[in-house]
Amino acid sequence: AQKITQTQPGMFVQEKEAVTLDCTYDTSDPSYGLFWYKQPSSGEMIFLIYQGSYDQQNATEGRYSLNFQKARKSANLVISASQLGDSAMYFCAMREDNTYTGNQFYFGTGTSLTVIP
Amino acid sequence: DGGITQSPKYLFRKEGQNVTLSCEQNLNHDAMYWYRQDPGQGLRLIYYSQIVNDFQKGDIAEGYSVSREKKESFPLTVTSAQKNPTAFYLCASSITVPEANVLTFGAGSRLTVL
Repeated sequence: AQKITQTQPGMFVQEKEAVTLDCTYDTSDPSYGLFWYKQPSSGEMIFLIYQGSYDQQNATEGRYSLNFQKARKSANLVISASQLGDSAMYFCAMREDNTYTGNQFYFGTGTSLTVIP
Repeated sequence: DGGITQSPKYLFRKEGQNVTLSCEQNLNHDAMYWYRQDPGQGLRLIYYSQIVNDFQKGDIAEGYSVSREKKESFPLTVTSAQKNPTAFYLCASSITVPEANVLTFGAGSRLTVL
């Protein structure tokens, strides 16, 4: 089974509007972390936001927020007030904190976001 | 400023040649990783190392080799045994404290086989 599933290959959003990028995950470890990375056309992976499995509140970083629904195993990224510079690939990732194998990171296949002027 | 430096940014290789991609970090991170990314796809783990002189195979290690002689350095060699090496390669590092680590990435190296 896929550890991280991103079902939206491509998304479009009007400038200044909000957009939600979907991510579901699969793990049986009680301790894990969820991440979102942005990859512009230059290729670098830019860390956006992090949510720990024990965190009670949803993480927020500026215009980014992570909608964490533990029971549904979803970790959607919400970008508010979209800007043209937000056009990029977005990857959801998970870190499993396994006592025996150490930290393992898993990535989704990404969502390509295009912001329309 | 602390970070991860990958070199070269672009590399061309003839079939049958081995090439080595450099990855250096000054973040004092214990763990280092190599990922491969193909167009329109996510990242796949090649090798990772959580401590000097030790490393483990990831999901697609065949045709690749690594070394970890220094904490700061984790070079990746793409050997002639790798049948389809054209891809974008990303190096990353992290601390190893559970529940707290985040992957920090380099800018990547793009390898093209001619």
